[in-house]
Amino acid sequence: EPEVTQTPSHQVTQMGQEVILRCVPISNHLYFYWYRQILGQKVEFLVSFYNNEISEKSEIFDDQFSVERPDGSNFTLKIRSTKLEDSAMYFCASSEGRQGYEQYFGPGTRLTVT
Amino acid sequence: DQQVKQNSPSLSVQEGRISILNCDYTNSMFDYFLWYKKYPAEGPTFLISISSIKDKNEDGRFTVFLNKSAKHLSLHIVPSQPGDSAVYFCAASEWAYDKVIFGPGTSLSVIP
Repeated sequence: EPEVTQTPSHQVTQMGQEVILRCVPISNHLYFYWYRQILGQKVEFLVSFYNNEISEKSEIFDDQFSVERPDGSNFTLKIRSTKLEDSAMYFCASSEGRQGYEQYFGPGTRLTVT
Repeated sequence: DQQVKQNSPSLSVQEGRISILNCDYTNSMFDYFLWYKKYPAEGPTFLISISSIKDKNEDGRFTVFLNKSAKHLSLHIVPSQPGDSAVYFCAASEWAYDKVIFGPGTSLSVIP
């Protein structure tokens, strides 16, 4: 069964450093998403991406965040200058369509900012 | 911002019995509802969904009921199995938006 994959599974970085989280969505999916879950809190939407541009973003997704689909298979989330409060699980998801289509999630990348 | 609420943080059920997980929402614009299951150290796994034009959707042991007037939905698992032990997230979306809004989750323990 096709699945969303994410690398690395765990990333440790120092405050102020840039990190890039990588995802390979399901191959025939057209919509891509990033969510995060701070420990003990809800899963929160960050951004959606379609047709090589951001479709929607939350208030969390400020100027320090960016997303890119550098080739036909990868989808990345870059955090330009990490802060302690960026420590969280980051989940990538993809879906065939927008409304009425389930979003399939990857296993997540645990980001720890020290 | 508690648009999707799951008021029971945890639930314990005996194997073979019915598990009922509840969810309430406040945004009347939500028109698509989903349940996800999550094991530790894994991402949420899609379980079952329902659109606002229906009041029931069934898939094997899993049934989701939607009561739009009460802004309430529930997930029934019959019969419950030990492998069902996980955190269950209720989630909702609105036609105009891409994002899915998640509830805080209910941790289900199925006791053998």
